[in-house]
Amino acid sequence: TQLLEQSPQFLSIQEGENLTVYCNSSSVFSSLQWYRQEPGEGPVLLVTVVTGGEVKKLKRLTFQFGDARKDSSLHITAAQPGDTGLYLCAGVRGDYKLSFGAGTTVTVRA
Amino acid sequence: DSGVTQTPKHLITATGQRVTLRCSPRSGDLSVYWYQQSLDQGLQFLIQYYNGEERAKGNILERFSAQQFPDLHSELNLSSLELGDSALYFCASSVDGRGLYNEQFFGPGTRLTVL
Repeated sequence: TQLLEQSPQFLSIQEGENLTVYCNSSSVFSSLQWYRQEPGEGPVLLVTVVTGGEVKKLKRLTFQFGDARKDSSLHITAAQPGDTGLYLCAGVRGDYKLSFGAGTTVTVRA
Repeated sequence: DSGVTQTPKHLITATGQRVTLRCSPRSGDLSVYWYQQSLDQGLQFLIQYYNGEERAKGNILERFSAQQFPDLHSELNLSSLELGDSALYFCASSVDGRGLYNEQFFGPGTRLTVL
């Protein structure tokens, strides 16, 4: 059983559309990170959110940390084929270990 | 390029064999992590070392062991290999492995295939 549940598992959209990926847990996290992984490569850190309710923007990507620090979302505006990849959320708890969700595979069609 | 290097890139071996995966962390990072990624299990934390000492253990099998050397590179040893050990093995490094940010930088991975 994953500590962090990501939904949806797969997402396929047309270029220019918006999408949202969710990361949920029953546990409270000190912070939460989002990574993107492309085939054959290691995950690359996109952002870390620390404060409940925090919103961070990275160009067309918007990350939000839930008020209770149990969940997070990633919203992509006007998706492009370059956004294709596996999006992973990872939570940090008191022991500072990262617990990863199973990931959401995003495919943006040109 | 994350600055973390892993060798080899690919490894094909037979059941019952033993292999060693190698990782060099980013310059200045003291903490090294090992992860296993398979299609059905996702990214699973195996073990963490900090400055040569084991700091945290995850879902690491007894057949697996790791160490971090004085020059901070790390090796993951997998023995008595089974078909189910086929997976991508990632190494990651961070400055100190603590704190709210604990930002980890991942290497390109080693793809292990057990036949």
